[in-house]
Amino acid sequence: NAGVTQTPKFRILKIGQSMTLQCTQDMNHNYMYWYRQDPGMGLKLIYYSVGAGITDKGEVPNGYNVSRSTTEDFPLRLELAAPSQTSVYFCASSYSLAYNEQFFGPGTRLTVL
Amino acid sequence: KQEVTQIPAALSVPEGENLVLNCSFTDSAIYNLQWFRQDPGKGLTSLLLIQSSQREQTSGRLNASLDKSSGRSTLYIAASQPGDSATYLCAVYAGGTSYGKLTFGQGTILTVHP
Repeated sequence: NAGVTQTPKFRILKIGQSMTLQCTQDMNHNYMYWYRQDPGMGLKLIYYSVGAGITDKGEVPNGYNVSRSTTEDFPLRLELAAPSQTSVYFCASSYSLAYNEQFFGPGTRLTVL
Repeated sequence: KQEVTQIPAALSVPEGENLVLNCSFTDSAIYNLQWFRQDPGKGLTSLLLIQSSQREQTSGRLNASLDKSSGRSTLYIAASQPGDSATYLCAVYAGGTSYGKLTFGQGTILTVHP
C-alpha cells in the first residue's frame, strides 16, 4: 500500500511552458485534493474532486486545470507557467467528507524561471 | 472566512522537555481538526484527527485537545526527542459545503536539541 504518490519530485520550467503533475492513490478514496504551499505559509486548496468525473475549484484555481477519469488518478495541469506558480504542490486524498482524515503525497517542488 | 493561527511560529527546546503547541481558529463551527507533522522537503504526515464531538485524542507521546467554543486546540508533546524536530501544522475542516477543504495554519517550527 503506497498511499499517495506524486511525480515528479522536482521540476524547473521556463515561463510559458506547460506541464502535468501526476498524483495516484491506492486507498480507493473518492475524495482527492491539490494544494500548494508557499514558503512560510500554510497550504491552499487549488482544486478538488469528489469522485471520477467530478472536479471543482478551490481557493486558488487560476492557471491550473484538473481531470479525474479514474478513482486512482488526479493529475494537475499547469498551462503557460508563470513565476507566481513557483511553489510546492501536494496531492491528498480522503475516504469520506464525514470523517475527512486527509493523507498527503510527498509533494512536487516546482520552480518557474 | 475561517482563519487559523499557530503560536509560536518557532520553538527551540532541550531534549526531554514537555511542550505545548497552540492553534486557534476564528470560526468555531468546525467539523474536525487535524494535526500534521512536516519534515523538511517532505510531505505531511497526519498525527491526530479530532472530531468536533471529541475533546481530545492521544497517540503515544502526543495528546491533542480541542475546545470548539473558544476556538482553540493544543498539541502536547511529552518527553520531547531530537527526532520530534519538524514543522507542526494544524488544519480545520468546516464540513457542510466546504467540500473537504482544510484551512491550514502557518505552522510551528520545532527544534529539539540534544
